Amino acid sequence: DTAVSQTPKYLVTQMGNDKSIKCEQNLGHDTMYWYKQDSKKFLKIMFSYNNKELIINETVPNRFSPKSPDKAHLNLHINSLELGDSAVYFCASSFALRGVTGNTIYFGEGSWLTVV
Amino acid sequence: SQKIEQNSEALNIQEGKTATLTCNYTNYSPAYLQWYRQDPGRGPVFLLLIRENEKEKRKERLKVTFDTTLKQSLFHITASQPADSATYLCALPGSSASKIIFGSGTRLSIRP
Repeated sequence: DTAVSQTPKYLVTQMGNDKSIKCEQNLGHDTMYWYKQDSKKFLKIMFSYNNKELIINETVPNRFSPKSPDKAHLNLHINSLELGDSAVYFCASSFALRGVTGNTIYFGEGSWLTVV
Repeated sequence: SQKIEQNSEALNIQEGKTATLTCNYTNYSPAYLQWYRQDPGRGPVFLLLIRENEKEKRKERLKVTFDTTLKQSLFHITASQPADSATYLCALPGSSASKIIFGSGTRLSIRP
């Protein structure tokens, strides 16, 4: 019974293609995230949705478009892929982070994207 | 701007010793701090949370301290085992409190 599941786990694609990564959580959380981990292992937040509403949009190229059809799903679509997009993309979820609450973030297993 | 530094990229210690990892932050005062473990090829997994009014937190062989004056957290693993080998990430709430920001991690290797 996977808590946060994302597909595909591995994705190799050519430059210029469009691809999507899907994510689902069964933890009943109201907030979902996309993080990017680069080759130096630095984990950086990209987007955050709370109850299907975008609340965080870090400085990410607009080729990246998240979509949340409901609070249990957050998909990431990437247009016109570039070599620099190669990274591991992690989906995550939590209850809403408010002030001092400090809710735990649960991560998926990651999607390894390689652009050639 | 907010900055989180884990000042050891890698740490190698002998099995049975205590591993101590450091997390320093600047330019803000977080209400809490978290530690996560990440194994190769896996997503980070939550280990411990410590709040600003707590000096120390323990969980089995893990101990975390939080010094808001020094702006530093120490993460200790006592009686370390090879199975403790992983990357450990500290994480703090961002200025907006609606996101968690991660440090770059320390790769810990425990040799038998």
